[in-house]
Amino acid sequence: EIVMTQSPATLSVSPGESATLSCRASQSVRTSLAWYQQKPGQPPRVLIYGASTRATGVPARFSGSGSGTEFTLTISSLQSEDFAVYYCQQYNNWPKTFGQGTKVEIK
Amino acid sequence: QVQLVQSGAEVKKPGSSVKVSCKASGGTFRNYGISWVRQAPGQGLEWMGGTIPIFGTPEYAQKFQGRVTITADESTGRAYMELSSLKSEDTAVYYCARDKEDTAMVYYIDSWGQGTLVIVSS
Repeated sequence: EIVMTQSPATLSVSPGESATLSCRASQSVRTSLAWYQQKPGQPPRVLIYGASTRATGVPARFSGSGSGTEFTLTISSLQSEDFAVYYCQQYNNWPKTFGQGTKVEIK
Repeated sequence: QVQLVQSGAEVKKPGSSVKVSCKASGGTFRNYGISWVRQAPGQGLEWMGGTIPIFGTPEYAQKFQGRVTITADESTGRAYMELSSLKSEDTAVYYCARDKEDTAMVYYIDSWGQGTLVIVSS
């Protein structure tokens, strides 16, 4: 099973600033990596797939990069609606494992 | 825009089974895969199993092998997840999710159901 490790666990950011979230895979997942945003009481929604492709309707301030074992989600100029928990998931191999999540909170 | 509509909340006794359903409204599962993901209270997301495409052979996470069964009914367009031998630790929100093929011909989750709360309590 591929283990996905996200860092940091919590990120405190002021509105308007940028945030950088990391996700590391225990072995290569090529670019089969997705990022999801989850707000309290809601299901997750996909932001990025293929490591760097924004899903339909996702604002351009969200960008993803990386391949192999190291991935990054960058949120530029954080808006109030961006404070949430973010999960990465590899879908290159079964089981399709998730990271433990990074909570982005208001500083 | 497809919406995945799941069955309602359940309260179950330890040792019993639960079966959660998921139907695509305004779309279809045809040519897509499906994943089932759960989230215990205050915890992260846990992939349980899935099929690609939806009517293919299911794959299950080792943790749930022998206890989970994922099926689909082509005639009704519904997918099901059944979890048996329930324990209190299985109390969670269970999500169905649609898997879409990307350009590398692997499948990522592009849509999620609203979630079904399953409470296991004596």
